[in-house]
Amino acid sequence: QKEVEQNSGPLSVPEGAIASLNCTYSDRGSQSFFWYRQYSGKSPELIMSIYSNGDKEDGRFTAQLNKASQYVSLLIRDSQPSDSATYLCAALSGGYNKLIFGAGTRLAVHP
Amino acid sequence: DAGITQSPRHKVTETGTPVTLRCHQTENHRYMYWYRQDPGHGLRLIHYSYGVKDTDKGEVSDGYSVSRSKTEDFLLTLESATSSQTSVYFCAISVAVGDRGLNTEAFFGQGTRLTVV
Repeated sequence: QKEVEQNSGPLSVPEGAIASLNCTYSDRGSQSFFWYRQYSGKSPELIMSIYSNGDKEDGRFTAQLNKASQYVSLLIRDSQPSDSATYLCAALSGGYNKLIFGAGTRLAVHP
Repeated sequence: DAGITQSPRHKVTETGTPVTLRCHQTENHRYMYWYRQDPGHGLRLIHYSYGVKDTDKGEVSDGYSVSRSKTEDFLLTLESATSSQTSVYFCAISVAVGDRGLNTEAFFGQGTRLTVV
């Protein structure tokens, strides 16, 4: 069974701090990875995609991928209360562009 | 919202009744997916489609069927709803991205909250 694992949290950080979210995956054949943000009662929203080893930065977000360790992370700099949400890690796996999701990490940013 | 519309948005139904959820997209994307989301489980794939009349099962397909007779519509049917199918259902599409379209990203509809009583 191919899996994506995340710590469910909650991860609590103060406003202005760096939030670090982590994810591991089991399918060594996965080449594409994604972070989605989901507010309560809303649909998942794609915030970062990463396809190669290393870091990818977009505004306050940095995604990091280490294929040798099968590890993906998301850093959120200068965290804001509006970043409070559940963050879902996903890996492309098994053909037909199918995604396998982790259970999500709940992030709480407190003022 | 990537041109994805799910209907209905909310539904309450009785155990044993059939239920059909609709996903409609406006941009002729080939790949479409149905997921369910339950606390502690994240998003789990029910069925997916890779073209008109081309569908296959995901990891939690028991009790569900799908149909795709037109590119723009992907229907999910619960033949005889059970309480275990109370969930939030999301439709998604896969979109080619990047300079040569070699990578893909998935986008989700607004979701359907289904309660089986």
